[in-house]
Amino acid sequence: AQSVTQLGSHVSVSEGALVLLRCNYSSSVPPYLFWYVQYPNQGLQLLLKYTSAATLVKGINGFEAEFKKSETSFHLTKPSAHMSDAAEYFCAVSLTGGGNKLTFGTGTQLKVEL
Amino acid sequence: EPEVTQTPSHQVTQMGQEVILRCVPISNHLYFYWYRQILGQKVEFLVSFYNNEISEKSEIFDDQFSVERPDGSNFTLKIRSTKLEDSAMYFCASIASGTKETQYFGPGTRLLVL
Repeated sequence: AQSVTQLGSHVSVSEGALVLLRCNYSSSVPPYLFWYVQYPNQGLQLLLKYTSAATLVKGINGFEAEFKKSETSFHLTKPSAHMSDAAEYFCAVSLTGGGNKLTFGTGTQLKVEL
Repeated sequence: EPEVTQTPSHQVTQMGQEVILRCVPISNHLYFYWYRQILGQKVEFLVSFYNNEISEKSEIFDDQFSVERPDGSNFTLKIRSTKLEDSAMYFCASIASGTKETQYFGPGTRLLVL
């Protein structure tokens, strides 16, 4: 079985500040890890994914995440927040060879202030 | 860019009524999924479908739910007798093939059961 924990249901940053959204996972086998973003009234858009290649993964819109096996973490970062980054962010895990079912975290609502 | 589409975008129904939610996955995709998101909660896996049969289903996906791929393009989720607690956003997703491929999500259908 796999699970995902996202610490902080709401995160608020100033425009231009570092964005850090936390995700820890639990998995009995090497996982695949994903970050999805959901803008209001829209579906889920993939930001980036880790599938056992490079541990530092770069995604769209300047986001990146680092897979740290020792910490069972996959935190999402962006050096400089933009107003357009305001959205809900979901971390998700699937098992390798597990039929690709995604297990999501509870989400983090990112607010960007002027 | 190809995308997953879902209809209707919103559906209001009376408790006990049957509803059918429709999805058109990306044309060359082979694996199909339904997820739901109750307001304010995380996205939850319902069912996966491959080669015209269910490959995995969650505890949520009880006898009231069914899925079908009636033709080469549509993928439907039927709820036979809706309950108040079925009110949620329902997302369809599809994947091309392989365990490393990205799941592409549709914009969702917001179902409200009165």
